Amino acid sequence: DIQMTQSPSSLSASVGDRVTITCRASQSISNFLNWYQQKPGKAPKLLIYAASVLQGGVPSRFSGSGSGAVFTLTISSLQPEDFATYHCQQSYRTPPFTFGQGTKLEI
Amino acid sequence: EVQLVESGGGLVQPGGSLRLSCAASGFSISSYWMHWVRQAPGKGLVWVSRINSDASITNYADSVKGRLTISRDNAKNTLYLQMSSLRAEDTAVYYCAREDYSSGWYELDYWGQGTLVTVSS
Repeated sequence: DIQMTQSPSSLSASVGDRVTITCRASQSISNFLNWYQQKPGKAPKLLIYAASVLQGGVPSRFSGSGSGAVFTLTISSLQPEDFATYHCQQSYRTPPFTFGQGTKLEI
Repeated sequence: EVQLVESGGGLVQPGGSLRLSCAASGFSISSYWMHWVRQAPGKGLVWVSRINSDASITNYADSVKGRLTISRDNAKNTLYLQMSSLRAEDTAVYYCAREDYSSGWYELDYWGQGTLVTVSS
C-alpha cells in the first residue's frame, strides 16, 4: 500500500501568516492527491483535488502544488476560520485511499 | 442540496454487531461510488471501504476485511455498513462520503456528519 506522510504534525501560526504543509507519498502518485480541511467535531471538507485544483467555493488563498511524490498545501494569508486540521489523501492506486496522519494548524 | 446523513452508531460489546446507514438526498447514489471512512478519537482519517454504483465491486481495508460489509440500496438512496465481530480498535466516528470522478480524478466531495461507534464492555 502507498503510505502518506504529512509534515509538520502540528503548526502554530498567526492571522495573516503564510503557511505551507507538506505531504509525501511512499511512491509516485502522479497528481492523484487531495486535500481536506476538518474542523473540530465536523466532517472533512474537500479543498483541493488533482494536487492543485480548487474545489468550488474554496477561497483563492488556498493553493496546492506538486506531482510525483511530494505535494504542498499553502495558505497565503491565514484567516481565523482556517485554523483546523488538514489531511492529504492519495487516490492513485486504489484501494486503499490512504490518508496522511493530519496536520493541526493552531493559533 | 447534497446531503449525507449517517445513523446507527452506538455502544456495542466486543464481538457484537451493528449496522450503519447513510441516507443521501439531493442526488442519486446510483450514479456514484460511495465510501466509508473512519476516525478514531483524536486520530487521523482511515479509509474503510468503497462500493461501486451497482454494488458489483466492493473493496475493504485489510483491517476490516471479513468483518465489515458495505452494501447499498439505490432505490432507497441509502448506503450501509454491516459491522460484525467488533473490536475495541473499531471505535471511531464513521463517515460516509461520495466519490466524484467527473474531473477524471478521484476525490471525496461530500461527506456526512458521522456517527460514533464505541466498542466496549
